[in-house]
Amino acid sequence: DGGITQSPKYLFRKEGQNVTLSCEQNLNHDAMYWYRQDPGQGLRLIYYSQIVNDFQKGDIAEGYSVSREKKESFPLTVTSAQKNPTAFYLCASSITREQPQHFGDGTRLSIL
Amino acid sequence: QKEVEQDPGPLSVPEGAIVSLNCTYSNSAFQYFMWYRQYSRKGPELLMYTYSSGNKEDGRFTAQVDKSSKYISLFIRDSQPSDSATYLCAMSNNAGNMLTFGGGTRLMVKP
Repeated sequence: DGGITQSPKYLFRKEGQNVTLSCEQNLNHDAMYWYRQDPGQGLRLIYYSQIVNDFQKGDIAEGYSVSREKKESFPLTVTSAQKNPTAFYLCASSITREQPQHFGDGTRLSIL
Repeated sequence: QKEVEQDPGPLSVPEGAIVSLNCTYSNSAFQYFMWYRQYSRKGPELLMYTYSSGNKEDGRFTAQVDKSSKYISLFIRDSQPSDSATYLCAMSNNAGNMLTFGGGTRLMVKP
């Protein structure tokens, strides 16, 4: 079945550590996105990519980095510069930027 | 003021009730409107996608857009306990800019 796979489902980070969240899609979508969701808040855009080898910062990119070396993969690294990383991270994709986005089931990141 | 406002709830209704979920927005350039359903510890699932004003129906769900009032609604008929989830509205402008999400409304349908 086509879809978006995020791994791991749960992730724990130690102080000063970088961690990488995986996002893979087999929908042949060009555009991919990373969001952060905090309790009681809407989704906030971290980074997005419209095409391979290209990506742009969203509203809250500080402390995060991404790469888009393959169409189907868009990993997110939460760096030690992100001082409040505890959140639910959602990856999404769409055929083009104008089309509705489809989401994976998220990764919950917590601090040890 | 947020660009998209959504009552956080929780909204609690008995099984079989008609549910009305709403969002208001301030950006008159928004043309594309979506409703997502999100179960606990899961990603949002696209329910409805509409362009400009009017109604769209899909089974028990009806999406309504009133651009003159900058107001969108999702109606759920014959609500079921399985409808218990958080409902997020999202919208974008005609240039296909990024989606702007509401904060979500938590719905509980009691048997």
